[in-house]
Amino acid sequence: QKEVEQNSGPLSVPEGAIASLNCTYSDRGSQSFFWYRQYSGKSPELIMFIYSNGDKEDGRFTAQLNKASQYVSLLIRDSQPSDSATYLCAIAPANNLFFGTGTRLTVIP
Amino acid sequence: DVKVTQSSRYLVKRTGEKVFLECVQDMDHENMFWYRQDPGLGLRLIYFSYDVKMKEKGDIPEGYSVSREKKERFSLILESASTNQTSMYLCASSSPRLAGFSYEQYFGPGTRLTVT
Repeated sequence: QKEVEQNSGPLSVPEGAIASLNCTYSDRGSQSFFWYRQYSGKSPELIMFIYSNGDKEDGRFTAQLNKASQYVSLLIRDSQPSDSATYLCAIAPANNLFFGTGTRLTVIP
Repeated sequence: DVKVTQSSRYLVKRTGEKVFLECVQDMDHENMFWYRQDPGLGLRLIYFSYDVKMKEKGDIPEGYSVSREKKERFSLILESASTNQTSMYLCASSSPRLAGFSYEQYFGPGTRLTVT
């Protein structure tokens, strides 16, 4: 069973703050990890992917991976109202992705 | 620019009708996927395909079939639509896994299907 757990939220942060989104997974064989953002009524769009333990930064986004503890997180610095969306974590032990149910983030102006 | 298109954004069908959902990608990807997304249930994999004329069942294939006659096109078929198939349907594509790492999936805009 390839479970991916996310807190469904909603997570509310004030504009300019750091939003921290967390994800745990059960399959130790997973090698690839992805964060998708999904606006209401839209399809998921890829934000970041990470393969190696540690941090990966891209603009205001930082993905963190800890394979020993089986968690991956996404930090959003200087949160903006436009970041308000549902964030989906996905793992890839093979060619398929396994998604969590998502965390809904609201950034309050 | 990556591009996955789906034939309809919104579709309304009657119970018992045969429904075709089309997906086309222009990225020369081998892998294609069909998901449905429902509130509280997340993304659930219906069928996927790693090559032309190849198909594999996902987690919830009952009531669905697929067709992949060309590399760029992957069709989802609801043989006899039922009200519990009212959902958002999402198509995605990706390159095959290489060197132990999987490539990201790119999603189409989705088709919101209502079966009455």
